[in-house]
Amino acid sequence: KQEVTQIPAALSVPEGENLVLNCSFTDSAIYNLQWFRQDPGKGLTSLLLIQSSQREQTSGRLNASLDKSSGRSTLYIAASQPGDSATYLCAVRSYGQNFVFGPGTRLSVLP
Amino acid sequence: EAQVTQNPRYLITVTGKKLTVTCSQNMNHEYMSWYRQDPGLGLRQIYYSMNVEVTDKGDVPEGYKVSRKEKRNFPLILESPSPNQTSLYFCASTGGSYEQYFGPGTRLTVT
Repeated sequence: KQEVTQIPAALSVPEGENLVLNCSFTDSAIYNLQWFRQDPGKGLTSLLLIQSSQREQTSGRLNASLDKSSGRSTLYIAASQPGDSATYLCAVRSYGQNFVFGPGTRLSVLP
Repeated sequence: EAQVTQNPRYLITVTGKKLTVTCSQNMNHEYMSWYRQDPGLGLRQIYYSMNVEVTDKGDVPEGYKVSRKEKRNFPLILESPSPNQTSLYFCASTGGSYEQYFGPGTRLTVT
């Protein structure tokens, strides 16, 4: 059964720093991996979707990479801003299985 | 605008009183899901539907029912709610590339 973990659980950085969030999964036979952002008490906003055949995806200051063989994905946020403060979740879709979410990384960007 | 809508957004009810949370999407997606989100447990899939009249259990289906009579609608039914079903509920719609789109969430309290 697929298990997804995220490290760190929480992160606090000063504004302007570049940062990396990590997502690990146990079964490398995945269909895709999706990164989400969630603000407190709100819904999930899709940030990036990486198909299993892709190595990375970019959107603005965000870059997500995927290494299936090692069961890892990273979300890189460049020049962080206070508005980036939120919880970041990764979700994995495995072949023949449903979506499995990681527990999230709570990010605080301090002005 | 492509979107997933849920109603109600907030609901307080008493143990045993049947309730339905509605979910609707306007993207003509075949795959829809219901999740619940609890502190420390993350997002867990309750039920999913691959198409009209096709539904299946997710990881935590006990105490819930669903139906899929039309492609756009996927209601979640709690026939006899209990306090352990107090949670934040999300409906999601999934496109052809298995990218998930989430509704705004329904915060349910069962007293």
